[in-house]
Amino acid sequence: LAKTTQPISMDSYEGQEVNITCSHNNIATNDYITWYQQFPSQGPRFIIQGYKTKVTNEVASLFIPADRKSSTLSLPRVSLSDTAVYYCLVADKDSNYQLIWGAGTKLIIKP
Amino acid sequence: NAGVTQTPKFQVLKTGQSMTLQCAQDMNHNSMYWYRQDPGMGLRLIYYSASEGTTDKGEVPNGYNVSRLNKREFSLRLESAAPSQTSVYFCASSEALVGIEAFFGQGTRLTVV
Repeated sequence: LAKTTQPISMDSYEGQEVNITCSHNNIATNDYITWYQQFPSQGPRFIIQGYKTKVTNEVASLFIPADRKSSTLSLPRVSLSDTAVYYCLVADKDSNYQLIWGAGTKLIIKP
Repeated sequence: NAGVTQTPKFQVLKTGQSMTLQCAQDMNHNSMYWYRQDPGMGLRLIYYSASEGTTDKGEVPNGYNVSRLNKREFSLRLESAAPSQTSVYFCASSEALVGIEAFFGQGTRLTVV
């Protein structure tokens, strides 16, 4: 199974840039890397997806090095409302490319 | 624009009772999914439907059945509920099965006593 490893929790302060790194040593050649955000009592919400180098949208940036064995989600100038659990996902080609969900990173933003 | 709608939002069952969780999406998506999430854990895939008329087992299918009623609706049935099935259940949909953004419902909190 393609699996990911990310920190269990992180703290930061309002206005700071937050970087969450995820390792995925066994990522397959055709796999994309996808990040979701989940607030308590809500379903996950898609943040960003990438294959290589850098992807940026209105919410975040995703940095993927050439070997693709890790990726970093960057959240610019976080606010209290960014407190959530963040999941890094890769597809598992052995199960029809279903996404494998780990426990995620619980990000707490302090004032 | 409702997105993915799940019913009910909360349910308490007694051990051995049956029930069906309903899910409907209005985005004309081909693929739909059922996940469960236990406290402090990530999501685990129960069943999925790549397209209308097809269903496949995910990581934890035992004790569940599904029906892809039409392109919009995907239901999850518990035939004989057990306390181990106490969890939050999420339905999701996406345009295609692979590498595409999935949209999630708000979840159904199920307690089996």
